[in-house]
Amino acid sequence: QVQLVQSGSELKRPGASVKVSCKTSGYSFSLYSMNWVRQAPGQGLEWMGYIQAKTGNAFYAQAFTGRFVFYWDTSLTTAYLQIFGLTTDDTAVYFCARDAAFGKYDYWGQGALVTVSS
Amino acid sequence: QAALTQPASVSASPGQSVAISCTGTSSDVGATNYVSWFQQHPGRAPKLIIYDVNNRPSGVSDRFSGSKSGNTASLTISGLQPEDEAHYYCDSFTSSRTVVFGGGTKLTVL
Repeated sequence: QVQLVQSGSELKRPGASVKVSCKTSGYSFSLYSMNWVRQAPGQGLEWMGYIQAKTGNAFYAQAFTGRFVFYWDTSLTTAYLQIFGLTTDDTAVYFCARDAAFGKYDYWGQGALVTVSS
Repeated sequence: QAALTQPASVSASPGQSVAISCTGTSSDVGATNYVSWFQQHPGRAPKLIIYDVNNRPSGVSDRFSGSKSGNTASLTISGLQPEDEAHYYCDSFTSSRTVVFGGGTKLTVL
């Protein structure tokens, strides 16, 4: 069965960086793009962008350009989100979600809480 | 890209029906049939319940249905059950080939 398992919670200081992983199994990794979605505390879902399966090319929503990087390791069938220069505004749960097509997110990771605090 | 507009909250009693709207523009909801709906319980990941406006994934109850007219999509839940109490989000593919979510709607089953 398809599974997306994310890394655990992180507590970071402002200015630090963090890497969130999303280990996939149960499907052909290269056939689907992986999207990332942010949910700030008590807030709604915010689309961050995606990484294309076959090419490894990434696309970032306007609010997530510059400090956010998507990449993946095909040998480990794992996608990664790295955030640099963390600020308190980055405190959120970050979800990975498999895109079956055009925003049809059929499988989700359990979410990874990133807390940024001094 | 501005978030799609959803009512902040809706409520209804068990057994009743409720509709949740999702209003966008001619660049997103009005431009595509790629509208999805997600259910999210507290502390859980979202779950896909409707895709391509009105299709249900395998295993999702037929009490959930979707529709679209112009720039507004709607999710209807019939025969409300206590476990339907959750947040609901729509999303839409856009003409820029991005995705935009709605702000979310909290459904309370009275």
